Order: sequence, then structure tokens, then C-alpha cells
Amino acid sequence: AQSVTQLDSHVSVSEGTPVLLRCNYSSSYSPSLFWYVQHPNKGLQLLLKYTSAATLVKGINGFEAEFKKSETSFHLTKPSAHMSDAAEYFCVVSRLDRGSTLGRLYFGRGTQLTVWP
Amino acid sequence: EAGVTQFPSHSVIEKGQTVTLRCDPISGHDNLYWYRRVMGKEIKFLLHFVKESKQDESGMPNNRFLAERTGGTYSTLKVQPAELEDSGVYFCASSQPGQGPHEQYFGPGTRLTVT
Repeated sequence: AQSVTQLDSHVSVSEGTPVLLRCNYSSSYSPSLFWYVQHPNKGLQLLLKYTSAATLVKGINGFEAEFKKSETSFHLTKPSAHMSDAAEYFCVVSRLDRGSTLGRLYFGRGTQLTVWP
Repeated sequence: EAGVTQFPSHSVIEKGQTVTLRCDPISGHDNLYWYRRVMGKEIKFLLHFVKESKQDESGMPNNRFLAERTGGTYSTLKVQPAELEDSGVYFCASSQPGQGPHEQYFGPGTRLTVT
């Protein structure tokens, strides 16, 4: 069975401090991994994606994530949080197992990021 | 370029009624997906169209849900009759043609409340 686990449902940071949002997955095959963000009343926006190239992936707005196969992790980081980063973040996986249809996405439960001034 | 649009943004209906949600994908995107987020749970896949054909509908919860994509353009998702547990946010996404985990572009969602 597949699973995507976001280890924190809520993360609070002060503006200017680092952000770490954690994600672990289980998969029988090499997955493609994504982080999406949803701001209030907006659609889900792709932050970054890993598709078996470089393990350190840079995304938009200063975010990056590192794929660690040995740890089955894909944590999202940002060196310095900004007020505009406050949103809900989703770790997403595709190609989790032999039966997965190409393109079908599996979502974690989301992490709500709060940024304090 | 217009993004994925969904209509309506909100819908409140009574149990037993019928509701139809609409999704307009990005022009040229053959792949269209429906997902749903029930409160407190993760976003879950419902089904996947490639053009007008259903590629995978294994995520559809039951036969009260009917998805169509006539002509391979916009798609509708009908819930008939609606039940309380159908409440949630329904997302539509589209992606470009071809195999592989292409980026899926999401719409803002339709918030469905069944009372």
C-alpha cells in the first residue's frame, strides 16, 4: 500500500527564520515527488518536483527539497520565511506502485504554515 | 493563458438533491483529473480522463458519482443523489499530453456542502 506522511499538521515560524516541512513516503518503485502550495481561496500551485534527476531540487519563491532515497524522505526547506509564505503545503507522490496510473497523484494530509511577524 | 477554471466556487444543497460541478481545463491539455478533499482528510484522486475516455476511475466512491467529458474539452461531475458525506472540496486538474508525471495544474476547487 502506498502512503505519504507529512509529519507536522501545523508549523509556525517567525519571519526571517528557516522553514522545514517534513515528508516521508513509502513506495515499491522509484516515485516522482512534488510539493504543492495552496494559498487561501486559490488553486494548488506547484512549488517544485523531483523526477529522478538531481536529488536537490530548487523551486519557486526560494523553496527547495532534497530527495533522500535511503530515508524515503522529501523535506521542503526555505532559508528565510516571508509573511507571504503562510499557506498550506502538500507533499505529493506519483508512480507509487505497479498499479499506479501514470499521472495519478497521492497527497499527504497537508501542513499549515504560519509565519509570525 | 487561462488556468483551470471550476464552477461553481461554492454549492450548498440538501441531502437527496443533485449537483453538477464543471471543470474547464487548460486549452490543449488532454489529461483531466478530479480530486476531492473531505474535511480533515487528504486530497484523494477520483478519476482521470485522457481526452474523452476514462483512463482510471478507481477513485470514484460509488455509483452516485458520474463524470463526463464530452468532446474531450470541459468535464462535469454529477452527484445524484447527494449525501452528507459528499461534502468537501472538489478539485479539477489538467496536464499536457503524453506519458509521465507531467505537472498537473489545479483549479481553485468547488466547495460542496450537503445539509
